[in-house]
Amino acid sequence: NAGVMQNPRHLVRRRGQEARLRCSPMKGHSHVYWYRQLPEEGLKFMVYLQKENIIDESGMPKERFSAEFPKEGPSILRIQQVVRGDSAAYFCASSSGLAILDTQYFGPGTRLTVL
Amino acid sequence: SQKIEQNSEALNIQEGKTATLTCNYTNYSPAYLQWYRQDPGRGPVFLLLIRENEKEKRKERLKVTFDTTLKQSLFHITASQPADSATYLCALAGNTGFQKLVFGTGTRLLVSP
Repeated sequence: NAGVMQNPRHLVRRRGQEARLRCSPMKGHSHVYWYRQLPEEGLKFMVYLQKENIIDESGMPKERFSAEFPKEGPSILRIQQVVRGDSAAYFCASSSGLAILDTQYFGPGTRLTVL
Repeated sequence: SQKIEQNSEALNIQEGKTATLTCNYTNYSPAYLQWYRQDPGRGPVFLLLIRENEKEKRKERLKVTFDTTLKQSLFHITASQPADSATYLCALAGNTGFQKLVFGTGTRLLVSP
């Protein structure tokens, strides 16, 4: 049973370009979470999605960032017009959503570098 | 604002000893506290969860305590091994119906042979 998959593992973008990060949850999981980890900082919650719905996006920057989890296909975190401060590791986690104490299973992360 | 503090300095111990890591929090009343392990270049891996009404939880060589009065959790690894070397993160979650985790910055543990 494959775990949470993220791609690409490393992404390099120039300032002003767009970054698209993909996350395929574990089989059977319908809940996806995105976190960002800046150097020397803890993981920060960004957004929580279920299929076709954004449940909580309280951690998302108001501009340039968006996320979706379509009925078919992976969840996408999109960053438009990237700036150097967006350089970080972005982690996706998934859970089954069957219980309040769902364990979140994390992917290996995408390391975004903005030049 | 919510704040979670973990020792930023690495903890160095010898193989076979017990490692104890601390997680303190302020301005938060979590319903659950979790500990994760993170290796370089990888995502966090869930280890243990403890509820606010539980004092202690054990799993093999791991033990977690949760003191809601002191607003502190202690994470113990007994009979430590070099393979236990990693960064350990504590994460808090409220009683909101889903787990919106709030993470500490983690403490790096180095176990030398």
